[in-house]
Amino acid sequence: DQQVKQNSPSLSVQEGRISILNCDYTNSMFDYFLWYKKYPAEGPTFLISISSIKDKNEDGRFTVFLNKSAKHLSLHIVPSQPGDSAVYFCAASVVEDEKLTFGTGTRLTIIP
Amino acid sequence: NAGVMQNPRHLVRRRGQEARLRCSPMKGHSHVYWYRQLPEEGLKFMVYLQKENIIDESGMPKERFSAEFPKEGPSILRIQQVVRGDSAAYFCASSAPQGGTQYFGPGTRLTVL
Repeated sequence: DQQVKQNSPSLSVQEGRISILNCDYTNSMFDYFLWYKKYPAEGPTFLISISSIKDKNEDGRFTVFLNKSAKHLSLHIVPSQPGDSAVYFCAASVVEDEKLTFGTGTRLTIIP
Repeated sequence: NAGVMQNPRHLVRRRGQEARLRCSPMKGHSHVYWYRQLPEEGLKFMVYLQKENIIDESGMPKERFSAEFPKEGPSILRIQQVVRGDSAAYFCASSAPQGGTQYFGPGTRLTVL
C-alpha cells in the first residue's frame, strides 16, 4: 500500500526554467510534509517542509505547495540550475516527530 | 563535523554472518531513526529510538533484526544471519529532542554475497 506516490519517475528541465515535482498521498492523517534531495551514494538532504496548517512555504528558489483537499503537494524550483540534478523524494508523517513515509522518488535532470 | 555519521560506509558479508551498522546522531539530537532503501525503491522506515528506548519498531522485520540506542555511544542496527535480500542501503536520521526535521547520514551500503 503506497501511501505516498510520486508518479513521475523522471523529469528533464532546461536550465533557468521552472521545475515542478509532484507528490500525492492517500493517508488523510498526514500533517507534515517534507522534500529531500538525494545524490547517488549519499544520504537524503533536507530541502523544505510544510505543515498542514499552511498551503505554501518558500525558501529561496524552492517553494512547496500543499492542497489538502486534493491530497497533493508540489515542489517548485525556479530558476533550475545544473546542481539541482538529483533524485527528489517527498515524505510525510502524522506528526513532526514520527516516522516518515517516503515516495519512490523523481529523478530530475537539468539540461544546460 | 556536526552531521549524522554512519559507519561503515560499505559492508560486505557472506550469507549467515552478522552485520552491525552504527549511527552517531547530530550533536544535540536524541532521536534516531533507521530506514532501508532497496534498489529502485524509496526509503522504508524501520525503527525509531530515543536514548535507551525503542519508540516505534513497526517497520522492523520480525526476525534477525534488532536495534539499540544506549545511554552512551552510537545507535546500532544489528542483522543476524544475513541473507541476500538484506542487501540494501541503510540510512540513519536524527532529530532534536523537541522533534522536527530529520537529518540523514550518508548511509551504509550492505552487500550480502
